[in-house]
Amino acid sequence: QQQVKQSPQSLIVQKGGIPIINCAYENTAFDYFPWYQQFPGKGPALLIAIRPDVSEKKEGRFTISFNKSAKQFSLHIMDSQPGDSATYFCAAITNAGKSTFGDGTTLTVKP
Amino acid sequence: DTEVTQTPKHLVMGMTNKKSLKCEQHMGHRAMYWYKQKAKKPPELMFVYSYEKLSINESVPSRFSPECPNSSLLNLHLHALQPEDSALYLCASSQGYGVGYEQYFGPGTRLTVT
Repeated sequence: QQQVKQSPQSLIVQKGGIPIINCAYENTAFDYFPWYQQFPGKGPALLIAIRPDVSEKKEGRFTISFNKSAKQFSLHIMDSQPGDSATYFCAAITNAGKSTFGDGTTLTVKP
Repeated sequence: DTEVTQTPKHLVMGMTNKKSLKCEQHMGHRAMYWYKQKAKKPPELMFVYSYEKLSINESVPSRFSPECPNSSLLNLHLHALQPEDSALYLCASSQGYGVGYEQYFGPGTRLTVT
């Protein structure tokens, strides 16, 4: 059973655009929601994370929006750059520390 | 130093071989993880060590055998693997195991089983 559903599978935007990646979950035991960025040949790197008692968190050009009642959260990338082209994974972590990842979104930012 | 190092970068092994993957961190982290990642898929958790003790084994086949010799080192011993075990094997570490602890990933070992 897919516990964290991520969409879209791939996304192409122009430089300066605002790509939005969405994730939805079912398990109410999830208590922490990180986003990872992964470049080819590298391990994932944590971008930004949010707890369910916060509706929005911003770090630089990256913003997470969180809707607890809908069990949905999303990543927005402001003023996207070609260097942001990568695969993005959302994840959900239970209060026991168990991580479940979404299937990933391949983002391409065209110059 | 916020780096997790993994060796080797690439490994090709036959189904009868025995090999080991190595992971090292010097951040003083007390939790270490092994993940398996297939192409265009998310990482799948295999094992978690917390304070050098195996805390989580996600029903991984016994042909994969983890070992944590000390708080900085994590090994994954491989024996009698199958071609479907070919994947990127990622090591990660975090200050502790639980909610809110950021995991730092290494670059991975690209394993090919022939």
